[in-house]
Amino acid sequence: ELKVEQNPLFLSMQEGKNYTIYCNYSTTSDRLYWYRQDPGKSLESLFVLLSNGAVKQEGRLMASLDTKARLSTLHITAAVHDLSATYFCAVDYALTSNFGNEKLTFGTGTRLTIIP
Amino acid sequence: DVKVTQSSRYLVKRTGEKVFLECVQDMDHENMFWYRQDPGLGLRLIYFSYDVKMKEKGDIPEGYSVSREKKERFSLILESASTNQTSMYLCASSLWSGWGGTYEQYFGPGTRLTVT
Repeated sequence: ELKVEQNPLFLSMQEGKNYTIYCNYSTTSDRLYWYRQDPGKSLESLFVLLSNGAVKQEGRLMASLDTKARLSTLHITAAVHDLSATYFCAVDYALTSNFGNEKLTFGTGTRLTIIP
Repeated sequence: DVKVTQSSRYLVKRTGEKVFLECVQDMDHENMFWYRQDPGLGLRLIYFSYDVKMKEKGDIPEGYSVSREKKERFSLILESASTNQTSMYLCASSLWSGWGGTYEQYFGPGTRLTVT
């Protein structure tokens, strides 16, 4: 059974600081996804990481993937208040033998609060 | 833009009622999913479908059933609602983007169901 663990679960940080959210998973996968969820809202896709060593950046967020270590990181640079949200990582694997039928397993999420 | 819509944002039902949650996507995606989201547990897959009239159990199918009569529509049915089914329900869809591609999922706004 695939397990996806995120840490920390809760993170409170001051504006302007840097921090990293970690996502570990238990089985081989080459594809990892990061999503953002604002309170009361649905999930919004942030990054799709498709191979070992993949790095993607959008504004103050940067995600990376190390498939050998089964680890992805989401790094926040110089945090600002509007980055406050819950961040989820998710890993996919095939559910059935029919290629194309894959599902995502999500981590429990990291609730990030940026304090002015 | 991919659009995934859900029939209700908020729903209150009584124990024992039959509950229907509807999800519609407008991008001709093959795969559709139903999740429930609970604090501290992340997203858990209830059922998914990779084609019309096809369905597969996810991690927590007990107490639920699904229907997919048309490609764009995926319904979640609670045959006899119970209080432990009070939760946020999220629908998602995905399209296989080819070899080396992704199963990025696009989420609806969610339905917050309360069973009293």
